[in-house]
Amino acid sequence: KQEVTQIPAALSVPEGENLVLNCSFTDSAIYNLQWFRQDPGKGLTSLLLIQSSQREQTSGRLNASLDKSSGRSTLYIAASQPGDSATYLCAVSHDSKLTFGKGITLSVRP
Amino acid sequence: DAMVIQNPRYQVTQFGKPVTLSCSQTLNHNVMYWYQQKSSQAPKLLFHYYDKDFNNEADTPDNFQSRRPNTSFCFLDIRSPGLGDAAMYLCATSIAANEQFFGPGTRLTVL
Repeated sequence: KQEVTQIPAALSVPEGENLVLNCSFTDSAIYNLQWFRQDPGKGLTSLLLIQSSQREQTSGRLNASLDKSSGRSTLYIAASQPGDSATYLCAVSHDSKLTFGKGITLSVRP
Repeated sequence: DAMVIQNPRYQVTQFGKPVTLSCSQTLNHNVMYWYQQKSSQAPKLLFHYYDKDFNNEADTPDNFQSRRPNTSFCFLDIRSPGLGDAAMYLCATSIAANEQFFGPGTRLTVL
């Protein structure tokens, strides 16, 4: 059974800092990996999708990498801003199903 | 804009009173999903429709059912809500096994 882990559960950084959020998964037989953002009481916003054949994807200040063989992904956020404060979840796909981690709650202090 | 819409955004029901949550999409995606997310937990897949084929997760309680009358709409029925069913319910869509797009969610409260 696939398990997705995101540690730590919460992170607080000062504005302007570059940061890395980690995600690990136990079964490397994935179709793709998605990073999502969730604001309190809201739905999920897709940030980046990495296909299993890819190593990384970039969108603006965000860069996600995937190392399928080691079961790891990272989300790099450059020059963090208070507006980046949210919960970030990673999810791996297999057979059209997503298995999620619990997320990392990020707080960016002004 | 193409999107996933969920109604209502907030639903309050009484213990044991049936409730239906609605999801619609303008993306023309062939797969629709229902997830349950409890506070500070990971979203958990309840079931999904791949075209007209219904796929139930093994651990989804019988209390939960779903209908997909056409490509655009999908409903989640909770036959007898219990206090443990209070959660955020998230609808998502995709083309086959590709990127999933989520709606804003429905927050269910059970009194």
